[in-house]
Amino acid sequence: QVQLVESGGGVVQPGKPLTLSCVASGFIFSSYSMHWVRQAPGKGLEWVAVISFDETHEYYAGSVKGRFTISRDNSRNRMSLQMSSLRPEDTGVYYCARGSRSYNTEFDYWGQGTPVTVSS
Amino acid sequence: SYDLTQPPSVSVSPGQTASITCSGDNLEDKYVYWYQQRPGHSPVLVISLDTRRPSGIPERFSGSNSGNTATLTISGTQALDEADYYCQTWDSNTGIFGGGTRLTVL
Repeated sequence: QVQLVESGGGVVQPGKPLTLSCVASGFIFSSYSMHWVRQAPGKGLEWVAVISFDETHEYYAGSVKGRFTISRDNSRNRMSLQMSSLRPEDTGVYYCARGSRSYNTEFDYWGQGTPVTVSS
Repeated sequence: SYDLTQPPSVSVSPGQTASITCSGDNLEDKYVYWYQQRPGHSPVLVISLDTRRPSGIPERFSGSNSGNTATLTISGTQALDEADYYCQTWDSNTGIFGGGTRLTVL
């Protein structure tokens, strides 16, 4: 069965960096685009970033562009989100989600999420 | 930027039909996806490509998209359908979510 397991969340001071990871299993990782979606406490879902199945395309939400970098290692079934210059408004649960071969479709499987708190 | 608008809340009696709308400019020109999120859980895809139900999603869930409005319909609503529902689409290589609708079954 498809499994997505996020890790790396925690408490970090404003302006500091943090890297999240997502390990996938149960499917051919290299055939699917992968996404990060976040949810601030008590708020709705916000799409953050996507990386294409072959790493040739990356797209970001305007709120994180220039500060976050998405990457993947198809040999290790792993995706990462490098977050820099973190702000309090980046606080929330970060979900890893599977897309399809095309990057602009649905998110059909989600991880359990990893919480990030940006606070001094 | 492109926006999707959902009502904050919808209430329905058990066994009745619930309709949750999602509005956006010329939304019918885009594909819309719907997600269910129960409290304390990760989102689950319930409708794909406007109208398609993924495997394992009950038949009581259906979707439509016409004009500026997409609609998620839940027929014969059950207590376990009580959750937050989000519509989602894509615009200029950016994923867009609606603000979410809290469905209350009472």
